[in-house]
Amino acid sequence: AQKITQTQPGMFVQEKEAVTLDCTYDTSDPSYGLFWYKQPSSGEMIFLIYQGSYDQQNATEGRYSLNFQKARKSANLVISASQLGDSAMYFCAVGRGFKTIFGAGTRLFVKA
Amino acid sequence: NAGVTQTPKFRVLKTGQSMTLLCAQDMNHEYMYWYRQDPGMGLRLIHYSVGEGTTAKGEVPDGYNVSRLKKQNFLLGLESAAPSQTSVYFCASRDTHPTGGYTFGSGTRLTVV
Repeated sequence: AQKITQTQPGMFVQEKEAVTLDCTYDTSDPSYGLFWYKQPSSGEMIFLIYQGSYDQQNATEGRYSLNFQKARKSANLVISASQLGDSAMYFCAVGRGFKTIFGAGTRLFVKA
Repeated sequence: NAGVTQTPKFRVLKTGQSMTLLCAQDMNHEYMYWYRQDPGMGLRLIHYSVGEGTTAKGEVPDGYNVSRLKKQNFLLGLESAAPSQTSVYFCASRDTHPTGGYTFGSGTRLTVV
């Protein structure tokens, strides 16, 4: 069975600084995807970034990058130059299609 | 705007009542999903569909039924609502490319009293 752990229930970061949100997972599947989603206070879920388990390079999307360490089974999200609008819940997900599971989330607070 | 539309956004039901949540997507996605979100538990998969006319059970299917008669629509039904089904429900869709993340609807907040 797959399992995801997001150990940081809440995080604070100063505006314009970088922040890393942790995600570790356990899966027996040889091939899988890693995803991060953002949920602002308005409630919608927004897809941020994807990393394939066989991708050699870490994925980047604008200010988001995914620090993927396959041997450690970790897929941390790095947000550079934090903005006030980054305050939200962030969910890590691992798997493929209907086998995708979600972590419990980390709430990020960006301070002005 | 293209995307996933869920209706209704809010609903209060009495125990034992039934209702249907509608999800519609206009991106021609094959795969559609229904999740529920409860505090501290992330998202859990209720049912999913890999194409028109197909449905399958997810992690927490009990008490729910689904139908996908048309490719663009995925309906979630509660036949006899229970307080344990109080939750926020999200519909999602994605295309067949494995690198694609989900596109989510805006959610339905359901309270069963």
